[in-house]
Amino acid sequence: GQNIDQPTEMTATEGAIVQINCTYQTSGFNGLFWYQQHAGEAPTFLSYNVLDGLEEKGRFSSFLSRSKGYSYLLLKELQMKDSASYLCAVTGTASKLTFGTGTRLQVTL
Amino acid sequence: GAVVSQHPSRVICKSGTSVKIECRSLDFQATTMFWYRQFPKKSLMLMATSNEGSKATYEQGVEKDKFLINHASLTLSTLTVTSAHPEDSSFYICSASRGASGNTIYFGEGSWLTVV
Repeated sequence: GQNIDQPTEMTATEGAIVQINCTYQTSGFNGLFWYQQHAGEAPTFLSYNVLDGLEEKGRFSSFLSRSKGYSYLLLKELQMKDSASYLCAVTGTASKLTFGTGTRLQVTL
Repeated sequence: GAVVSQHPSRVICKSGTSVKIECRSLDFQATTMFWYRQFPKKSLMLMATSNEGSKATYEQGVEKDKFLINHASLTLSTLTVTSAHPEDSSFYICSASRGASGNTIYFGEGSWLTVV
C-alpha cells in the first residue's frame, strides 16, 4: 500500500521562502508529483521527480530522495496568489496517483 | 486549452436519482482514466481506475454498484452516481495520462455534485 504524509497547514510571509515536506512509504514507486490546487479547482501540475535530486522550475523547486522516501517543494519569493493547497502524490504503476493529505499554505503580508 | 474535459462542472440532483459525469480526453487516446473524489478541505481520494473495454477497478471501500464507471471508447469515461444521497455530495475529478511514460497526467476541471 501507499502512505503519504504532509503537514496539514503552513503560513508564510509574502516574499519569503517556504519548504513543504512530504514523506512516503510505497510498495512501488514510479515517480512523485507536486500539484497546486486552489479551492474549488482542479489540481495543476507543478513538478515531477523520479530520480534523486533537485528539479528547479522558476520560483518552484522540488527535491526527491528515494532512499529516504522524502520529497520537498520549495517556493521562493512567495506571492499572495501562492496561497493554495499543495498536494504530494506518488505513482506506482500506470499513472495511478495516490495523494497525500495536502498542505494548505497561507501567504500573509 | 483543456486537454481533459469534464462535464458537467456543477450539478444538483434530488435524492434517489442518478447523475452521470463525463470525462473526455480531447486530443489523445486514453486507455486508462482515473476517478477521484474530494471532500471539502481534504485531499483527492482515488475511487477507481477506468479501463477502456473492460471493467473498472475499484479501490477498497468504494461501492461499484453505486458508482458505475463505463469506458466505452478511448476518449470517454463516465461516472454514474446511482441512487444519490446527500452524503454523495462532493467534488469528483478525473485524470488521464498522455504518453507511454505515464508521467504526464492531466486532470479534468472537476464536477461539483450536490444532492438535495
